[in-house]
Amino acid sequence: DAGITQSPRHKVTETGTPVTLRCHQTENHRYMYWYRQDPGHGLRLIHYSYGVKDTDKGEVSDGYSVSRSKTEDFLLTLESATSSQTSVYFCATEMTGEGDYGYTFGSGTRLTVV
Amino acid sequence: AQSVAQPEDQVNVAEGNPLTVKCTYSVSGNPYLFWYVQYPNRGLQFLLKYITGDNLVKGSYGFEAEFNKSQTSFHLKKPSALVSDSALYFCAVTGGGNKLTFGTGTQLKVEL
Repeated sequence: DAGITQSPRHKVTETGTPVTLRCHQTENHRYMYWYRQDPGHGLRLIHYSYGVKDTDKGEVSDGYSVSRSKTEDFLLTLESATSSQTSVYFCATEMTGEGDYGYTFGSGTRLTVV
Repeated sequence: AQSVAQPEDQVNVAEGNPLTVKCTYSVSGNPYLFWYVQYPNRGLQFLLKYITGDNLVKGSYGFEAEFNKSQTSFHLKKPSALVSDSALYFCAVTGGGNKLTFGTGTQLKVEL
């Protein structure tokens, strides 16, 4: 997990509140990804970024937005948290975008929406 | 669309015995295949990958995987399991130039 820091590591929030998760990398990788991990579903892509201010949606993007103002930071925002967004969120980075080097993952953020 | 299937939610093995964690895939073009391991409360860690070349790929912690194009499989193997290998294992695939698609994971439990 070296080089990728996710914050916070744990968070409990109330339904309807906005929440922002942060991913910070020192790898200088161009590509960054946000996944959520849920039992029985594995990892599902929420949003990704292919450069500063360049982002796109993944397969489960509804209710989430992202921003990337610097190479090293990729923020995930839950605009109005719901109980279905209780999950473990992982950030990942990739050097080339071609898939041949694989991803490097952060340690995750466990989010509970009550 | 690309996809990965890990048919076993859990695999139980006795320490010292060989282990196999199964993975099959579907992708357009030549596949890039990966195995990752996740220990409790940790992120995913890279184990090994197949991009091209020898069908038998060796990775970290004594793990290896065999790429079989005709069966579209990439099973993870280890000759002698350790209790410390107990973890959640993910197979992933991409067709190159695309994002990785992950399987649902296989929980490996190695018992004394």
